[in-house]
Amino acid sequence: ELKVEQNPLFLSMQEGKNYTIYCNYSTTSDRLYWYRQDPGKSLESLFVLLSNGAVKQEGRLMASLDTKARLSTLHITAAVHDLSATYFCAVDKTSDMRFGAGTRLTVKP
Amino acid sequence: NAGVTQTPKFQVLKTGQSMTLQCAQDMNHNSMYWYRQDPGMGLRLIYYSASEGTTDKGEVPNGYNVSRLNKREFSLRLESAAPSQTSVYFCASKKDILNTEAFFGQGTRLTVV
Repeated sequence: ELKVEQNPLFLSMQEGKNYTIYCNYSTTSDRLYWYRQDPGKSLESLFVLLSNGAVKQEGRLMASLDTKARLSTLHITAAVHDLSATYFCAVDKTSDMRFGAGTRLTVKP
Repeated sequence: NAGVTQTPKFQVLKTGQSMTLQCAQDMNHNSMYWYRQDPGMGLRLIYYSASEGTTDKGEVPNGYNVSRLNKREFSLRLESAAPSQTSVYFCASKKDILNTEAFFGQGTRLTVV
């Protein structure tokens, strides 16, 4: 059964610092997604990673995928308060899409 | 551009009551999904529909039924609500079953008392 694990589950950062969120999954898949959710809101797509070695960047966020290690990372550079949210990774396997538990990120001044 | 629309946004049910959550998308997507979100557990897949006319169980289908009414609409029915079904429910759609991002509705906050 496909399992998706994120860590850490909670992350408190200072503005200006760098950090990485990790997403491990249990079966082979070449398709990984990152989503953002603000409190009380819906999910918004951030990145779609479709092959081994894929790297995508948007502003202060960069996502990468290593299908051999079954690992994706979401790197945050010079965090700002606006990045405070919950971040989810998700993996496609055959027909369904499974999510990790989410990483709740808080960026403090 | 509406995207994915869910109704209702909020609902309170008594144990044993039934209700249907509605979802419609206007993006001509083939695949649609129902998830529930509980604190600390991420999103768990209830049912999905890879294409019009097909539905399949996800991780947590017990106590739910679905109908893919047409390409646009995918409804979720609770026949006899239980307190354990208190959750936030999200509908999502994708252009195709694989390789594309999902678009989510705004969610339905359901409380069963």
